[in-house]
Amino acid sequence: EPEVTQTPSHQVTQMGQEVILRCVPISNHLYFYWYRQILGQKVEFLVSFYNNEISEKSEIFDDQFSVERPDGSNFTLKIRSTKLEDSAMYFCASSPAGDTQYFGPGTRLTVL
Amino acid sequence: SQQGEEDPQALSIQEGENATMNCSYKTSINNLQWYRQNSGRGLVHLILIRSNEREKHSGRLRVTLDTSKKSSSLLITASRAADTASYFCATDEGDYKLSFGAGTTVTVRA
Repeated sequence: EPEVTQTPSHQVTQMGQEVILRCVPISNHLYFYWYRQILGQKVEFLVSFYNNEISEKSEIFDDQFSVERPDGSNFTLKIRSTKLEDSAMYFCASSPAGDTQYFGPGTRLTVL
Repeated sequence: SQQGEEDPQALSIQEGENATMNCSYKTSINNLQWYRQNSGRGLVHLILIRSNEREKHSGRLRVTLDTSKKSSSLLITASRAADTASYFCATDEGDYKLSFGAGTTVTVRA
């Protein structure tokens, strides 16, 4: 069964550094999402992406964040200058039609 | 934006028993989805119920939706140790995002 994959599984970075989290959505899906989950807290929506543009973004998704679908298979989340509070599990999800969302295993980001 | 809120926060049951958890939300939705998360792992989609549906089944799972009360329930029948996980409801208001609740932690004792 097709799955959403994410790399790396764990990323450690220094505060102020840029990180790129990578996702490969399920191949025939059209909608793509990033969420994050700070340890012990709720899963929070960051951004949705459809037809090569952002459909919706949350207040968390400020100018430090960006998303890209560079080559028709990958979907990336970039954080330009990481802060301590960006430490979280980041989940990518994809959906065929914008309803059921299938999540990847997550990337644990640790900012030191 | 609104979020689903699960109740109870934690549930401990004996293997073979049923587990029921509830989710309440605040405004109109297109659909409501239930997910499972094993400790430190990703979210596994369990079931989606649309706003015009009242009940849905998938294997040992039964989901109900009452839009007049803005609530949903997830029933897991004949629980197994492998059902030990956190369960989340997530509401879709038709705005390209899911809003998650805090989850119910289910422990199934052998």
